[in-house]
Amino acid sequence: GAVVSQHPSRVICKSGTSVKIECRSLDFQATTMFWYRQFPKQSLMLMATSNEGSKATYEQGVEKDKFLINHASLTLSTLTVTSAHPEDSSFYICSATTRYSNQPQHFGDGTRLSIL
Amino acid sequence: AQSVTQPDIHITVSEGASLELRCNYSYGATPYLFWYVQSPGQGLQLLLKYFSGDTLVQGIKGFEAEFKRSQSSFNLRKPSVHWSDAAEYFCAAHFGNEKLTFGTGTRLTIIP
Repeated sequence: GAVVSQHPSRVICKSGTSVKIECRSLDFQATTMFWYRQFPKQSLMLMATSNEGSKATYEQGVEKDKFLINHASLTLSTLTVTSAHPEDSSFYICSATTRYSNQPQHFGDGTRLSIL
Repeated sequence: AQSVTQPDIHITVSEGASLELRCNYSYGATPYLFWYVQSPGQGLQLLLKYFSGDTLVQGIKGFEAEFKRSQSSFNLRKPSVHWSDAAEYFCAAHFGNEKLTFGTGTRLTIIP
């Protein structure tokens, strides 16, 4: 089946630093990637949709300058949390899919981000 | 408004018992429907999907789901649960665009 690799799985860093999370589709070309945030015991909240070669589309309320998304190739998207603060601590999950809307999203294993 | 509803926040079943997790949607047409499972600290794994055709779909790990248009439902079932099935289950739908709308999830606990 389709495999999506997300790295790192866990990050602990000091307040004020920037953190980059990578999402790779290992065996298919991901024309679209999604970034979600998940709070404890809650569902996934879509942050942004990223199409290869285009600027990401952010959901309402998500700060573009705080959460920088790059999707430079068909197999890699990155999320950079800039100047992270404790309130940015969360579980971040990426997913990837191909161009057609009836194709399921395939999810990475998530990144647990803890800002001290 | 387009939405996915999972009425049960938490379900507890005995190992070996049957399981049904409920999912309803609100949409003017038939969406693409999915069930995902999430183990603690992990991403989501696709269990099964429905696009059209046969309303009873088979998935991985012995799960199946039935689409009922009259009830706007897509309930997930398993005839006999195993302790390893304990996880969070999410129903999701595509409503005519590329975004996936998730339900709030149902946490499944298995007791011996």
